[in-house]
Amino acid sequence: DSGVTQTPKHLITATGQRVTLRCSPRSGDLSVYWYQQSLDQGLQFLIQYYNGEERAKGNILERFSAQQFPDLHSELNLSSLELGDSALYFCASSVGGREGSYEQYFGPGTRLTVT
Amino acid sequence: QQQVKQSPQSLIVQKGGISIINCAYENTAFDYFPWYQQFPGKGPALLIAIRPDVSEKKEGRFTISFNKSAKQFSLHIMDSQPGDSATYFCAASPLESNTGKLIFGQGTTLQVKP
Repeated sequence: DSGVTQTPKHLITATGQRVTLRCSPRSGDLSVYWYQQSLDQGLQFLIQYYNGEERAKGNILERFSAQQFPDLHSELNLSSLELGDSALYFCASSVGGREGSYEQYFGPGTRLTVT
Repeated sequence: QQQVKQSPQSLIVQKGGISIINCAYENTAFDYFPWYQQFPGKGPALLIAIRPDVSEKKEGRFTISFNKSAKQFSLHIMDSQPGDSATYFCAASPLESNTGKLIFGQGTTLQVKP
């Protein structure tokens, strides 16, 4: 158990809908990262937050957005869902910060199925 | 330039053998190289990581070899066990950019036969 929690574990929804994935980082970790894992694209970095502020952006679609709250949990919002958005979405956390550890610990993931 | 290329795609090894997975990168800004192990239905788990100031790091049966001039690094699993059967991902990160975001290789599915 990495200490990172994600909810829900599974999500089935229809095209055009909007969903919210939730992540709680390990105790003491300030950085949260979101990754998408699909068969054709592999594991891809989406976005990172550090202590409530966006730190880095990857190949995240404009239909996707994220935020990190004062209690450090994070939410990834996916809207206008398409079939191709079906994937595993992982959250990872690290201590972060210039002097901190960058070792990332992954949650169990949310499996999103868009029908 | 942001890619990390991993090979082989799949690997079958006999119990007790050595498993070797290779990765190569182009971006010289990468300065942190972790390896992750993923079992079906689980999230990736950090196995071992290396910074470019050392050429080798060993933790138990797992060793990372790093060749900075060739921009290559590899994972060696000694005395491979059936319980090591999983998908392994190499990754790289440009820590100097103060993000820590990971760029992953495509993964290697390892099967260790008893």
